Amino acid sequence: GEDVEQSLFLSVREGDSSVINCTYTDSSSTYLYWYKQEPGAGLQLLTYIFSNMDMKQDQRLTVLLNKKDKHLSLRIADTQTGDSAIYFCAEKKSGGGADGLTFGKGTHLIIQP
Amino acid sequence: NAGVTQTPKFQVLKTGQSMTLQCAQDMNHEYMSWYRQDPGMGLRLIHYSVGAGITDQGEVPNGYNVSRSTTEDFPLRLLSAAPSQTSVYFCASSYVGGYGQNTEAFFGQGTRLTVV
Repeated sequence: GEDVEQSLFLSVREGDSSVINCTYTDSSSTYLYWYKQEPGAGLQLLTYIFSNMDMKQDQRLTVLLNKKDKHLSLRIADTQTGDSAIYFCAEKKSGGGADGLTFGKGTHLIIQP
Repeated sequence: NAGVTQTPKFQVLKTGQSMTLQCAQDMNHEYMSWYRQDPGMGLRLIHYSVGAGITDQGEVPNGYNVSRSTTEDFPLRLLSAAPSQTSVYFCASSYVGGYGQNTEAFFGQGTRLTVV
């Protein structure tokens, strides 16, 4: 199966919270990342969490990590139209690959007015 | 700092033509890599480099060559373009880091390539 899995689409109403989920398979992953890609642009790091943490909060963003289930989530509070983008989950493995990152296929976040 | 710079931003090629996608970074990163992004496929690693003079293949290397003569530059060459290579190409760079070290990857803005 895929190393990192995400749903392809998520639709939320403006002002609601968005929760984007991700599962990964490598228990040796040290860091887990969320990247944001706006239309026509490259990927930008949104936030990350070290594998020995359960939660990380940064303004409107909350990252939750369940190592037992290899599940990562990104919660965006008070979702705005500017949050419309593709969100990629990525894991940094302990070895392999130039930057050791394996990406999911990305979740398209669609904001309804 | 300019970060990671890719050129060109857009390119149309005819089948069989060759071209080089340029990537340069000014952060003195050891690692550089090339990905292609296709709808519903996410990012797939084409080639990567762990330092000047060292390159290796990623997940989808066929039809592409790379070289790393300097730390700053990591060009991607399409030897004989095919319609299947129509995609968006991203270059990324990062520090090597070690276990427990965050090594964020910095991405260029992408090159949108169409092969007709």
